[in-house]
Amino acid sequence: DAGVIQSPRHEVTEMGQEVTLRCKPISGHNSLFWYRQTMMRGLELLIYFNNNVPIDDSGMPEDRFSAKMPNASFSTLKIQPSEPRDSAVYFCASSLGYYNEQFFGPGTRLTVL
Amino acid sequence: AQTVTQSQPEMSVQEAETVTLSCTYDTSESDYYLFWYKQPPSRQMILVIRQEAYKQQNATENRFSVNFQKAAKSFSLKISDSQLGDAAMYFCASLYGGSQGNLIFGKGTKLSVKP
Repeated sequence: DAGVIQSPRHEVTEMGQEVTLRCKPISGHNSLFWYRQTMMRGLELLIYFNNNVPIDDSGMPEDRFSAKMPNASFSTLKIQPSEPRDSAVYFCASSLGYYNEQFFGPGTRLTVL
Repeated sequence: AQTVTQSQPEMSVQEAETVTLSCTYDTSESDYYLFWYKQPPSRQMILVIRQEAYKQQNATENRFSVNFQKAAKSFSLKISDSQLGDAAMYFCASLYGGSQGNLIFGKGTKLSVKP
């Protein structure tokens, strides 16, 4: 099993640009989570999907952030326009059901200049 | 609000020795799960061990074991025979039955292993 796949691994962009992060969950998992990790705030849940449907997006910081899951094997997190304070490591995780362990991808380190 | 507290920002252990990382949590729920995740310098979050609240027996995975004290809301991780590869950030996390998948993480403990 390839595990959770995220791309890109690193992204450097300028303020105001659109950023799209991608995630492929583990095959067969029906729950997908997006997290953000910063030194100041630690790991925060942004949004999660169950069976491709967004269940809770209360962690999404602003309207600049949006996430989609068009099918069971792909999800995107988009930031438009990006700002320097969005710089962080963004993790995608998947699990089989709500209450099982979540398997994390390698993360995308985003730097907004 | 549900919270998870790790009171030790940093810990150090000699190779082959045993170390215990502390974690406390706060919940009024009766149905919940507790996890320890390891994050090495590679950034990858790796599940170390899992404990269901309804189970009285402490979970064990090879050199890793937990001391789950439900009444005290404590969930410490013991690493035996520490190895250099154990050096990492360790995060305690909780998942509550009513949260529908929202993992609450502690701030983490950075573990160093001295040769």
